[in-house]
Amino acid sequence: QQQVKQSPQSLIVQKGGISIINCAYENTAFDYFPWYQQFPGKGPALLIAIRPDVSEKKEGRFTISFNKSAKQFSLHIMDSQPGDSATYFCAASIGNFNKFYFGSGTKLNVKP
Amino acid sequence: NAGVMQNPRHLVRRRGQEARLRCSPMKGHSHVYWYRQLPEEGLKFMVYLQKENIIDESGMPKERFSAEFPKEGPSILRIQQVVRGDSAAYFCASSPVQGIVQPQHFGDGTRLSIL
Repeated sequence: QQQVKQSPQSLIVQKGGISIINCAYENTAFDYFPWYQQFPGKGPALLIAIRPDVSEKKEGRFTISFNKSAKQFSLHIMDSQPGDSATYFCAASIGNFNKFYFGSGTKLNVKP
Repeated sequence: NAGVMQNPRHLVRRRGQEARLRCSPMKGHSHVYWYRQLPEEGLKFMVYLQKENIIDESGMPKERFSAEFPKEGPSILRIQQVVRGDSAAYFCASSPVQGIVQPQHFGDGTRLSIL
């Protein structure tokens, strides 16, 4: 079964708007939640990550919100830019195993 | 470029042939992971290796697929007798140490096409 569920599948946002991508998980043993950004023809690149002991983490225009009780986490991209147009993947892993379970991806298109 | 290097970037094989995908981890990284990505889908874990050891191969198909990470040289993902369903992008990632969770650094992948 899919360990991490991601939505929406695709997203169109106007330049300057806020992009929001959501993920939900079932396994309460997950303790590391990264977000990856992937451009066509490239590998995923780590964007930002969070552990469940904090509810929010912000790096520049990117913020992760984490709701442990709901087993959900989301990525917010503030002031979205056309250069942010890419596919975004959430992921989760357990302890020191370094085995990541990825969501199915969200294709973001930021319109100029 | 000190990143994860994968080659070839594109590989075309006919059904029944063998495909060999290579991955050189980042300098100083001794842990390698292989993932498969089907079109419009997320990455699926295949195998986790350290030098000369397979740590977790729970995502590897039981037949035709094998992986190694020798003491010297790159990690190799080998697919024997390829079928159409093997067409996908295969990504390699590396991390420096186990013990604590480390972010994985990904290569740009090998796009495998089966004719």
